[in-house]
Amino acid sequence: RKEVEQDPGPFNVPEGATVAFNCTYSNSASQSFFWYRQDCRKEPKLLMSVYSSGNEDGRFTAQLNRASQYISLLIRDSKLSDSATYLCVVNAARGTGTASKLTFGTGTRLQVTL
Amino acid sequence: NAGVTQTPKFQVLKTGQSMTLQCAQDMNHEYMSWYRQDPGMGLRLIHYSVGAGITDQGEVPNGYNVSRSTTEDFPLRLLSAAPSQTSVYFCASSRRTGGYEQYFGPGTRLTVT
Repeated sequence: RKEVEQDPGPFNVPEGATVAFNCTYSNSASQSFFWYRQDCRKEPKLLMSVYSSGNEDGRFTAQLNRASQYISLLIRDSKLSDSATYLCVVNAARGTGTASKLTFGTGTRLQVTL
Repeated sequence: NAGVTQTPKFQVLKTGQSMTLQCAQDMNHEYMSWYRQDPGMGLRLIHYSVGAGITDQGEVPNGYNVSRSTTEDFPLRLLSAAPSQTSVYFCASSRRTGGYEQYFGPGTRLTVT
């Protein structure tokens, strides 16, 4: 089983729609969770961190479910400019005294259309 | 601030050639890392460094060397290029390891023929 799994999509949605992505992780000791956005042929950029209580940033809402080991990203009122690949990123901490590392999912592609 | 810079942007190598991918950051970040991104594989960690003089292997280190003589620079060396190393390479930096935002460079697209 992959450490971090995402549906690759593509998710094709009309402008103004609400769309949600899920991401599952296998390491129950994971400490930190993030969503990154990657535009075509560009570098990944942090979209938002995911906190235990859930958090919102404008049209974007992130949730964490530790019991089921998944995180989600909800995008409301989709814009054409939201078209990108969304990467789920998990800090798969390896224990005391060792440097933790981030594990990236393969990404979910979103295409917003007119 | 330039952030994280990488050179070159594109490179074509023949099998067996060696080269160095350059990475520099001007944010005084302690943590720097190299990833490769391949279709359907996600970003995979090659090597990382938690500070000047300290490096360690990531998930896919074979065929690559790194060094960290300064806080700013973290070059990646391909010792003897192979077609399997055709990929997009990203350098990243962050204040610390783990739960901190990583800032990525624009990437180097490498083709090995």
